[in-house]
Amino acid sequence: KQEVTQIPAALSVPEGENLVLNCSFTDSAIYNLQWFRQDPGKGLTSLLLIQSSQREQTSGRLNASLDKSSGRSTLYIAASQPGDSATYLCAVINYNFNKFYFGSGTKLNVKP
Amino acid sequence: KAGVTQTPRYLIKTRGQQVTLSCSPISGHRSVSWYQQTPGQGLQFLFEYFSETQRNKGNFPGRFSGRQFSNSRSEMNVSTLELGDSALYLCASSPGRDGRQAQYFGPGTRLTVT
Repeated sequence: KQEVTQIPAALSVPEGENLVLNCSFTDSAIYNLQWFRQDPGKGLTSLLLIQSSQREQTSGRLNASLDKSSGRSTLYIAASQPGDSATYLCAVINYNFNKFYFGSGTKLNVKP
Repeated sequence: KAGVTQTPRYLIKTRGQQVTLSCSPISGHRSVSWYQQTPGQGLQFLFEYFSETQRNKGNFPGRFSGRQFSNSRSEMNVSTLELGDSALYLCASSPGRDGRQAQYFGPGTRLTVT
């Protein structure tokens, strides 16, 4: 059974810092990996999707990388802003199962 | 394109009652998945529908059921509500036949059971 872990559970940084969020998964037979952002009490906003054949994806200040062999993905946020404060979740979907497995998230607080 | 919409946004029910939640996917999306989110368990997969057929199911009791209509809209029903069913229920839609594509989430329905 696929298990997804996100470390750290919470992170507090001053505005302007570059930061890295981590996601690890136990079964490397994934089809794709998706990063989401969730604001308190709200739904999930899709940030980046990485196909299993890709190594990274970029959108604005965000860059996500994928290393299937080691079962890891990182989300890099450049020049963090207070508006980036939210919970960031990663999810993987395996080749064999049509459902996403979610990590428990990293709660990010960017201080002005 | 309009995003995924869910109704109602908030709901308060008492134990033993039943509830129906609705989800309208992004136009053209045919796959709809449902998730339960609680502080203790995180995001847990309930089920996925494609072309009016349940294609995948999570580990929830039979009190949780769903269906999908010909226009891809989906409903989720929970019967005999328990206090532990209090959660944010999220619906996600996906473009195509392959349920492993990117998922786009709605704002959720916050269900409180008293």
